[in-house]
Amino acid sequence: ETGVTQSPTHLIKTRGQQVTLRCSSQSGHNTVSWYQQALGQGPQFIFQYYREEENGRGNFPPRFSGLQFPNYSSELNVNALELDDSALYLCASSFYPSGSTGELFFGEGSRLTVL
Amino acid sequence: GENVEQHPSTLSVQEGDSAVIKCTYSDSASNYFPWYKQELGKGPQLIIDIRSNVGEKKDQRIAVTLNKTAKHFSLHITETQPEDSAVYFCAARFGNEKLTFGTGTRLTIIP
Repeated sequence: ETGVTQSPTHLIKTRGQQVTLRCSSQSGHNTVSWYQQALGQGPQFIFQYYREEENGRGNFPPRFSGLQFPNYSSELNVNALELDDSALYLCASSFYPSGSTGELFFGEGSRLTVL
Repeated sequence: GENVEQHPSTLSVQEGDSAVIKCTYSDSASNYFPWYKQELGKGPQLIIDIRSNVGEKKDQRIAVTLNKTAKHFSLHITETQPEDSAVYFCAARFGNEKLTFGTGTRLTIIP
């Protein structure tokens, strides 16, 4: 069973730039969620994708956008980067409808530093 | 929306002793409560979870209890070992909606 994989693991950008982060979901999973984890904080929900459509969004501005592909992999795009966007970005996959399970499995994250 | 509070923020325990981390949630509709362990430089790892129709669940040295009336749930680790040192997060969710996380507990096991 292949776990959740994310790329890149680390990257550095400057303010105003754009970034794309990628995620491959765990085998058998069809739903992908993205979370932002600032240093010393718990993960904060950005959005969730199911059947290639966004089906839930947290309190993040529209410059945070995403995609889900037919193979259930996903991208997170952030435009006009700000210093506060520096964080660990976590991708998590799950199976929906989940029935009796519904566990969320996380990747190792992409650490973004904005200078 | 859901709000999850977690205490304590740091916890030091002698190796072999027990550790308890407590969380409270605000949304009475929440029905799924996972616990994650996060080691330095890694993503959160699911270690145990509990659903609202169960009061307690145990997996070897780890147990979770849920009090729906009080909207409390707790993680219990017995016979702690050095490899238990990490940051632990509780979370709550209703249905298949987003997970709302607590602020984390940094657990240190003292050899």
